[in-house]
Amino acid sequence: DAGVIQSPRHEVTEMGQEVTLRCKPISGHNSLFWYRQTMMRGLELLIYFNNNVPIDDSGMPEDRFSAKMPNASFSTLKIQPSEPRDSAVYFCASSRDIETQYFGPGTRLLVL
Amino acid sequence: DQQVKQNSPSLSVQEGRISILNCDYTNSMFDYFLWYKKYPAEGPTFLISISSIKDKNEDGRFTVFLNKSAKHLSLHIVPSQPGDSAVYFCAARGGSGAGSYQLTFGKGTKLSVIP
Repeated sequence: DAGVIQSPRHEVTEMGQEVTLRCKPISGHNSLFWYRQTMMRGLELLIYFNNNVPIDDSGMPEDRFSAKMPNASFSTLKIQPSEPRDSAVYFCASSRDIETQYFGPGTRLLVL
Repeated sequence: DQQVKQNSPSLSVQEGRISILNCDYTNSMFDYFLWYKKYPAEGPTFLISISSIKDKNEDGRFTVFLNKSAKHLSLHIVPSQPGDSAVYFCAARGGSGAGSYQLTFGKGTKLSVIP
């Protein structure tokens, strides 16, 4: 079975540019989570979707961040405009409801 | 305020010996605990979990122990193998609302198993 798929795996961009990260959850999973990992703060939850509906976006740092889940098999996390402090590894995870979360390989973002 | 703490950033163990990774938590609402393993350039991989109604859960070489009164859990790996070298994250969730789905992670412990 395919796991959680994320793209791109690496992204290097310049400050001010728009960045879009993509995630395909495991088939049959109805919960999707976006996390950010930094050295200082570790793994932090950004946003949680259940049945394609955003349930909790309290972890989204600011209005420059937005996330969508147009259908059960696709989600995007967008940063516009990007800033150097957004540099981090972004993980997508999925689960059946609140069961065990399974993580994708992550997108390593570097904003210059 | 770190609600889940892994106080040892790193641990080195000889191959074949036992690895013990520790995790402490402060939130008494936590009732479900997980361990994830992470290799470089990969996402965290689920390893083992335990509910607060148990004090031990075993899966092959991996055993998790939970001491609710001390708010402490530990992961035992016996015997340790070089392929176990990775960063191990402790995670917890519990309570109502966001607590029912939000995992709170520790900062991780890097395990090195020496051949």
